[in-house]
Amino acid sequence: EVQVVESGGGLVKPGGSLRLSCAASGFTFSSYSMNWVRQAPGKGLEWVSSISSSGNYIYYADSVKGRFTISRDNAKNSLYLQVNSLRADDTAVYYCARVYGDWRVGMDVWGQGTTVTVSS
Amino acid sequence: QSALTQPPSASGSPGQSVTISCTGTSSDVGGYNFVSWYQQHPGKAPKLMIYEVSKRPSGVPDRFSGSKSGNTASLTVSGLQAEDEADYYCSSYAGSNNLIFGGGTKLTVL
Repeated sequence: EVQVVESGGGLVKPGGSLRLSCAASGFTFSSYSMNWVRQAPGKGLEWVSSISSSGNYIYYADSVKGRFTISRDNAKNSLYLQVNSLRADDTAVYYCARVYGDWRVGMDVWGQGTTVTVSS
Repeated sequence: QSALTQPPSASGSPGQSVTISCTGTSSDVGGYNFVSWYQQHPGKAPKLMIYEVSKRPSGVPDRFSGSKSGNTASLTVSGLQAEDEADYYCSSYAGSNNLIFGGGTKLTVL
């Protein structure tokens, strides 16, 4: 079964850090670009970051640039998001998603998400 | 970049058709054919329904169709069924290595 499973979320104080992970299975992970997308409580979807299949091309939303770092380990079929200098408005469910072809085309496999809550 | 503009809600009776709009600018929706649509049921992950304006991934019913005119993309759901009740989000490439989403539309099947 093709799937991705996120982990690593939790409650963190403002200014704190977390490392989110995404474990992929059922497909050749090293052949696909991957994205992180988040959804604040009761709000819409927001693209966070993209990484190419090789890791050579990386893009970030302006709202997280300089604070978040995306990476991947193709040998471990894993995607990561290091989130630093967290703010209250970073509170959201963070989804890992497989890209369908070109990274701009769309995302066809999504995990169930991991929740990040930033609060003192 | 600003979010794409979607109506907050839409509705239709079973068997009817409903169209959800997604309005952007010439820098996003109007400038690229990288518009996609996602369905999200409460508490669930989004599901890709349409990509590249009008293409359907395998497994998505042909009741779902997409189109674009100028700076506005549209998702049409024909032959509405109860299970189509969900939130729908559009997304577009916005240039400069950015992706943006719409605010979402809650589709109610009456």
